[in-house]
Amino acid sequence: DIQMTQSPSSLSASVGDRVTITCRASQSIDYYLNWYQQKPGKAPKLLIYDASSLHGGVPSRFSGSGSGTDFTLTITSLQPEDFATYYCHQSYTNPRTFGPGTKVDIK
Amino acid sequence: QVQLQESGPGLVKPSGTLSLTCTVSGGSISSSNWWTWVRQSPGKGLEWIGEIYHSGSTNYNPSLKSRLTISVDKSKNHFSLRLNSVTAADTAVYYCAKTARFLDFYMDVWGEGTTVTVSS
Repeated sequence: DIQMTQSPSSLSASVGDRVTITCRASQSIDYYLNWYQQKPGKAPKLLIYDASSLHGGVPSRFSGSGSGTDFTLTITSLQPEDFATYYCHQSYTNPRTFGPGTKVDIK
Repeated sequence: QVQLQESGPGLVKPSGTLSLTCTVSGGSISSSNWWTWVRQSPGKGLEWIGEIYHSGSTNYNPSLKSRLTISVDKSKNHFSLRLNSVTAADTAVYYCAKTARFLDFYMDVWGEGTTVTVSS
């Protein structure tokens, strides 16, 4: 299985901050990388697919980059509704594995 | 706009079978998408369980494959999950999702999730 790691595991930030989350795959996954946002008690929501494509309806303050083994999710100006847990997810091969998540909370 | 809704028992006895159904509305299960199950154990991360295409082709997580069956019923526009020989480790919130593809595969529509507890 491809192992996905994320850093940091959690972070505290203020509204308006720029936030960067890193995801690393244990082997190359080209651009087969997605990002999801999950709030407590809710299903995950797709933010980014194909490593850098913004899903419809997702605010432009979210962006993704990377290819191969190293990927980044950036939130340029954190908003109150962005406090959540973020997961990366590879679809390069089965089983399609998730990262352990990065929890973003209020400083 | 496709919507998904999970249904099934919320309590299953150890060694029993966990059975869930995901009903697709607002679209056809015969569209060019895969239909996926994901679970999340209490306080834990997300685990991909497996997926099915309307043709019946499946992909399973090897860690669950010996106990797992995912099926599709096109006449009812739903797909189902059966997991045999369950233990407490199978206690989780189970989500169904639509997996689309542009270049890679991504889950763009999710059900709200259903909690399944394995306990006697």
